[in-house]
Amino acid sequence: DAGITQSPRYKITETGRQVTLMCHQTWSHSYMFWYRQDLGHGLRLIYYSAAADITDKGEVPDGYVVSRSKTENFPLTLESATRSQTSVYFCASTGRNYNEQFFGPGTRLTVL
Amino acid sequence: GESVGLHLPTLSVQEGDNSIINCAYSNSASDYFIWYKQESGKGPQFIIDIRSNMDKRQGQRVTVLLNKTVKHLSLQIAATQPGDSAVYFCAETLVLTGGGNKLTFGTGTQLKVEL
Repeated sequence: DAGITQSPRYKITETGRQVTLMCHQTWSHSYMFWYRQDLGHGLRLIYYSAAADITDKGEVPDGYVVSRSKTENFPLTLESATRSQTSVYFCASTGRNYNEQFFGPGTRLTVL
Repeated sequence: GESVGLHLPTLSVQEGDNSIINCAYSNSASDYFIWYKQESGKGPQFIIDIRSNMDKRQGQRVTVLLNKTVKHLSLQIAATQPGDSAVYFCAETLVLTGGGNKLTFGTGTQLKVEL
């Protein structure tokens, strides 16, 4: 019984380090999304992917890199972490109903 | 740019009462408006959506109303239960080229159910 999973659930890193957040879904959904959630801002879209090898920027892509070599995985990389990237990160995927996005449990990232 | 906002950041209701959560939107071109629920420590969960050409849609214990004249969206929860305590987000959609929807979320309303 899988669905959509994220790892790690919690991460503490230092400014300037590279960090990769993993997202895995077992539904073979085409669309996948990365959001960050900060108090007062709701959820903001970082990147999304329509299919393997197809990715596009969202509202706040600066400082992030994504890849999607396989349909089920959509990793998010912070190439050089900054304190402003301290946040809770959510991965999501969508099936036939494009309005219904299925969210993972989130990764709480702290950048010191 | 476009934005989706909420009137009240926190709403407290008594168990058994009806709850009404409001949302203002500014993008009249959105095809759908959606409500999500987020419980503490979890990811958001889809509740209900409404197409832009509709005024009302009902689900299980929930009703969404859309007033396009004043660009207002509301979520009504009947007989509110403790399990309804969560943050509620409205969202509007943007259709992506080739299919799929991109969602723009509001900042959320915290619903607290008092026993």
